[in-house]
Amino acid sequence: RKEVEQDPGPFNVPEGATVAFNCTYSNSASQSFFWYRQDCRKEPKLLMSVYSSGNEDGRFTAQLNRASQYISLLIRDSKLSDSATYLCVVSPFGNEKLTFGTGTRLTIIP
Amino acid sequence: DGGITQSPKYLFRKEGQNVTLSCEQNLNHDAMYWYRQDPGQGLRLIYYSQIVNDFQKGDIAEGYSVSREKKESFPLTVTSAQKNPTAFYLCASSATGNPRDYGYTFGSGTRLTVV
Repeated sequence: RKEVEQDPGPFNVPEGATVAFNCTYSNSASQSFFWYRQDCRKEPKLLMSVYSSGNEDGRFTAQLNRASQYISLLIRDSKLSDSATYLCVVSPFGNEKLTFGTGTRLTIIP
Repeated sequence: DGGITQSPKYLFRKEGQNVTLSCEQNLNHDAMYWYRQDPGQGLRLIYYSQIVNDFQKGDIAEGYSVSREKKESFPLTVTSAQKNPTAFYLCASSATGNPRDYGYTFGSGTRLTVV
């Protein structure tokens, strides 16, 4: 089983819609969680950290479910500029290295 | 502005050659990392360093070498022993030795192609 698993998509979503995707992780001792965004042929950029209580940043909401070992990302009122690949990132306890999922590709359709 | 600079942006290597990818940061970050990304795959860790003059192998270190003589610099050499070096190489740094709190800042990457 991979340490971090994501549905690769693609998710093709009309502009203005709400879209959500999940990511599962295998190490129950994992401590830190992030969502990164990667545009085509560019470097990943931190979108948001994921806190235990869940957190929101504008149109983006991230949640953590430790019992089921998954994190989620919800995008409301999607924009064309949201088209990108979204990477789920986990940091195992006691391990300084981040582990990246393979990403979920999202395309917002006009 | 502070950031991470990778050079060159594109690099072409002949079979059997060693090449060195540059990574410089002015963020005063302690930890630096090298990842490789192949099409449709996630980032895979090659080497990382949490302090000057010290570095550790990642998951796919074979065929690569690094040095960390200065805090700001973490060059990666792709040796001829690396059998499939064509990939997108990403350098990253984190604010402390622990990326759990702050995540990573990435450079813009180097695309290496073997010709």
